[in-house]
Amino acid sequence: DAGVIQSPRHEVTEMGQEVTLRCKPISGHDYLFWYRQTMMRGLELLIYFNNNVPIDDSGMPEDRFSAKMPNASFSTLKIQPSEPRDSAVYFCASSLAWLAANTGELFFGEGSRLTVL
Amino acid sequence: RKEVEQDPGPFNVPEGATVAFNCTYSNSASQSFFWYRQDCRKEPKLLMSVYSSGNEDGRFTAQLNRASQYISLLIRDSKLSDSATYLCVVNPEGSTLGRLYFGRGTQLTVWP
Repeated sequence: DAGVIQSPRHEVTEMGQEVTLRCKPISGHDYLFWYRQTMMRGLELLIYFNNNVPIDDSGMPEDRFSAKMPNASFSTLKIQPSEPRDSAVYFCASSLAWLAANTGELFFGEGSRLTVL
Repeated sequence: RKEVEQDPGPFNVPEGATVAFNCTYSNSASQSFFWYRQDCRKEPKLLMSVYSSGNEDGRFTAQLNRASQYISLLIRDSKLSDSATYLCVVNPEGSTLGRLYFGRGTQLTVWP
């Protein structure tokens, strides 16, 4: 079975450019999460969706960040304009509600490593 | 105060050693607790859940102390392949899924 698929795996861009990260969750999963990981702050939840509806976006740093989930098999995280402090690894994860609540298991993609120069 | 605090380490131990990590959480109402493992430049993966009575999975033992609000992970007979970062995770909402709080992780290196 395919796991969570993220693209691009690596992105290097210049400050001010728009960045779009993409995620395909595991088929049938009803929760999708976007996390950001840095050395300083660890793994931070940015936003999560349940059945394509955003539930909690309180972790989104500021208005430059936006996320969408137009259907059950696709989500995007957009940064516009990007800044050097946005450099991080961005992970997408999916799960089933009952599975994650009881077992704690989120299925992470391999991450998108973003460098903003 | 962060929801989950961990000693970042690093812990450097020889093969065969026993090593323990602790993690504290701030929300006393938290219901569910887990340990994840993250290899270098890889994604986090669930290692094990933490049950109130403590639980074992092979060489790994997880324990919960609700009174002191800390969680521990004990690794016995360390293997080279145990080298990774171990993340403590708390689900404050218990039976429903919501925001999972991850610690920053404790780095372990097992040397031959």
